[in-house]
Amino acid sequence: DIQMTQSPSSVSASVGDRVTITCRASQGISSWLAWYQQKPGKAPNLLIYAASSLQSGVPSRFSGSGSGTDFTLTISSLQPEDFATYYCQQANSFPLTFGAGTKVEIK
Amino acid sequence: QEQLQESGPGLVKPSETLSLTCTVSGGPSSNHYYSWIRQTPGKGLEWIGYIYDIGTTNYNPSLKSRVTISVDTSKNQFSLRLSSVTAADTALYYCARARRDSFGMDVWGQGTTVTVPS
Repeated sequence: DIQMTQSPSSVSASVGDRVTITCRASQGISSWLAWYQQKPGKAPNLLIYAASSLQSGVPSRFSGSGSGTDFTLTISSLQPEDFATYYCQQANSFPLTFGAGTKVEIK
Repeated sequence: QEQLQESGPGLVKPSETLSLTCTVSGGPSSNHYYSWIRQTPGKGLEWIGYIYDIGTTNYNPSLKSRVTISVDTSKNQFSLRLSSVTAADTALYYCARARRDSFGMDVWGQGTTVTVPS
């Protein structure tokens, strides 16, 4: 199985901050990577697919980059509704696997 | 847009079979894969498997011997059966729709909690 390692596990930030979350795959996955946001008591919500494609309806302050083994999710200007946990997921090979999550908390 | 809704028992006895159903508004589309995913505090998000087209499936090898995913297009549903459950199968279970171009899961059910007592 491909292991997905996210860092940091948590980050404290303020509204307006630029936040960057990293996801590293244990082997190359080309651009087969998705990012999700999950709020307490809710299902995950797809933000980014194919490493850098913005899902319809997702604000443009979210962006994704990377290919191969190293990927980044960036929130350009953190908004109050962005405090949540973020997950990466690889879709290069089965089984599909997720990272452990990064919790974005209020500073 | 398409909506998904899980249903099924919230409590399953050890060694029995967990059965969940996901109802898809408008019926499952041939343009998507339909997955089951579970979430626990300890293991995080775990992909169980998916089904697409008439009934092609792909399962997580860690669960493959115990999992069956099927579709009933007449009822606009797809289902999960997980046999011989233990306390380790206690989780929040989600059904989700995945894009065929990327496997990004773009529509999720609200989730249903299943408890297997130890």
